[in-house]
Amino acid sequence: KNQVEQSPQSLIILEGKNCTLQCNYTVSPFSNLRWYKQDTGRGPVSLTIMTFSENTKSNGRYTATLDADTKQSSLHITASQLSDSASYICVVSDQAGTALIFGKGTTLSVSS
Amino acid sequence: DTGVSQDPRHKITKRGQNVTFRCDPISEHNRLYWYRQTLGQGPEFLTYFQNEAQLEKSRLLSDRFSAERPKGSFSTLEIQRTEQGDSAMYLCASSRMGSEFDTQYFGPGTRLTVL
Repeated sequence: KNQVEQSPQSLIILEGKNCTLQCNYTVSPFSNLRWYKQDTGRGPVSLTIMTFSENTKSNGRYTATLDADTKQSSLHITASQLSDSASYICVVSDQAGTALIFGKGTTLSVSS
Repeated sequence: DTGVSQDPRHKITKRGQNVTFRCDPISEHNRLYWYRQTLGQGPEFLTYFQNEAQLEKSRLLSDRFSAERPKGSFSTLEIQRTEQGDSAMYLCASSRMGSEFDTQYFGPGTRLTVL
């Protein structure tokens, strides 16, 4: 069964600190992996997209890594800001974009 | 704003009533998706249109649910005889076939509460 598991379920960090969120997947065949940020009460917004051949991709303070052999991905947030407080969802596609398997998300709270 | 829009943003209804939600995709996007998201969960795929054709439906989409995209532009999602278990955020997304990674852009969602 195609699944996407994320950890931790929730995380609280101080403003300015770094953090890393984890994503493990069993989706096969694999097309691409995306990280979305979802603010409370809003739709998800794409942060990064990586294909099988990519190991890392950055978007500002967000850096995603992918190990397609172990089927693991991580999202590293550097120098966290209060506005980073949101749910971060790992999404894996097993086709060219139409079938997306979503993780449950990691809820990040950044406090001052 | 040229993003995906959804209407209404919130809907409260009594069990047994019918509700209809609307989604307006980004104008040049020919693919449109509906998802359902409950608290603490990631979005779950419901159905997908390419232009006006409904190409895929999830088993989550019971007979009480129907989606249309009559002119290949906006879409509606109707839930008949609502149940308390239908309470959720209903998200719409759109994408442009042929674009890199076919990235889906999400609307703000419609939050449904069934009393």
